[in-house]
Amino acid sequence: GDSVTQMEGPVTLSEEAFLTINCTYTATGYPSLFWYVQYPGEGLQLLLKATKADDKGSNKGFEATYRKETTSFHLEKGSVQVSDSAVYFCALREGNTPLVFGKGTRLSVIA
Amino acid sequence: DSGVTQTPKHLITATGQRVTLRCSPRSGDLSVYWYQQSLDQGLQFLIQYYNGEERAKGNILERFSAQQFPDLHSELNLSSLELGDSALYFCASSGSSGVNQPQHFGDGTRLSIL
Repeated sequence: GDSVTQMEGPVTLSEEAFLTINCTYTATGYPSLFWYVQYPGEGLQLLLKATKADDKGSNKGFEATYRKETTSFHLEKGSVQVSDSAVYFCALREGNTPLVFGKGTRLSVIA
Repeated sequence: DSGVTQTPKHLITATGQRVTLRCSPRSGDLSVYWYQQSLDQGLQFLIQYYNGEERAKGNILERFSAQQFPDLHSELNLSSLELGDSALYFCASSGSSGVNQPQHFGDGTRLSIL
């Protein structure tokens, strides 16, 4: 079945550092790919999405590009802030099926 | 605000008891999904309903059941509770138009079994 593998955390960065969180997937068809973020004590929020190969999703300075050839959807941000500290989940979805999530990566940004 | 409402936010109960978690989807969304988030298992899909009918089942225990009502709200019933059922339970909803649409999550219900 479909699956998502993302880098294990925790990841600790200093403010203004560059962030990359790796995500690769396995799917039988042509999924859409998503990054969700979970801030402490809150639910999951959609951060960005991409629905087809070579699409780039972006939001709040975060970006991820749908790479079909490498089956990847790595999350990047050029300059992280303390307020970006959260758990980040990579996920995929085919059609109207439930989301398949990676295990999540905890990011801590220190001032 | 995702538009998905879950109640209650917190629930504390004892082993062997039964609880009901409630979810109101975003206006117009026909699909409702339930997920369980625990420290050791991560985010696990439990069950999906679409316009009142069960659409997909994931890792849902037989002690758990759910339903979606005509007004599209959904309830997740957990019975014969065990310590290991302590977790965050999320509801998500998505629209019917277009495939591969994102799901929108509520803030979750934190269930603590004592």
